[in-house]
Amino acid sequence: AQKITQTQPGMFVQEKEAVTLDCTYDTSDQSYGLFWYKQPSSGEMIFLIYQGSYDEQNATEGRYSLNFQKARKSANLVISASQLGDSAMYFCAMRETNAGGTSYGKLTFGQGTILTVHP
Amino acid sequence: KAGVTQTPRYLIKTRGQQVTLSCSPISGHRSVSWYQQTPGQGLQFLFEYFSETQRNKGNFPGRFSGRQFSNSRSEMNVSTLELGDSALYLCASSLRHEQFFGPGTRLTVL
Repeated sequence: AQKITQTQPGMFVQEKEAVTLDCTYDTSDQSYGLFWYKQPSSGEMIFLIYQGSYDEQNATEGRYSLNFQKARKSANLVISASQLGDSAMYFCAMRETNAGGTSYGKLTFGQGTILTVHP
Repeated sequence: KAGVTQTPRYLIKTRGQQVTLSCSPISGHRSVSWYQQTPGQGLQFLFEYFSETQRNKGNFPGRFSGRQFSNSRSEMNVSTLELGDSALYLCASSLRHEQFFGPGTRLTVL
């Protein structure tokens, strides 16, 4: 069984500063993928970044980077240069992958962290 | 490329009725998954379809069912609606890793 834990119900950050959202996971799968999604108040889930369990480099996508520490089972999201539009709920999630590296099955989500960016 | 679309966006039903939600995946995506999101339970997996076959199913009662058509479009049906079925229902399609979500259908059961 997979489990995602996000221990920060809410986070505050000043505009233009960096912020780290914490995520720890637990799984018995040998191969898995880790994801971060953003959900604004409109409700749509927006994909941000993906990290494969066998990827040696930490994933980066623009202002988003994923700090992946496999031994500690953590996959923290770092948002650099925060913008007012970054205010939203952020979810960490994981999914099993097969030998070919394709993810399949359900996404298991954490409870989310509400990020508020102050001007 | 068009994203995942879901219809309708909003629904209001009464207890005991049934409802059908529709999802059109991104072109070329053959996997479609459904999730229920509520304030109390968070995001919970309902089922996943791939090439018209249900590949995975979450822990929901049999009132929740789904299907996928040959063009990868998917529908989910909830029969005998209960107040607790009020939720945001999200559909997602995927090709390899990421699941791309639609805007969701917000169902209110009165």
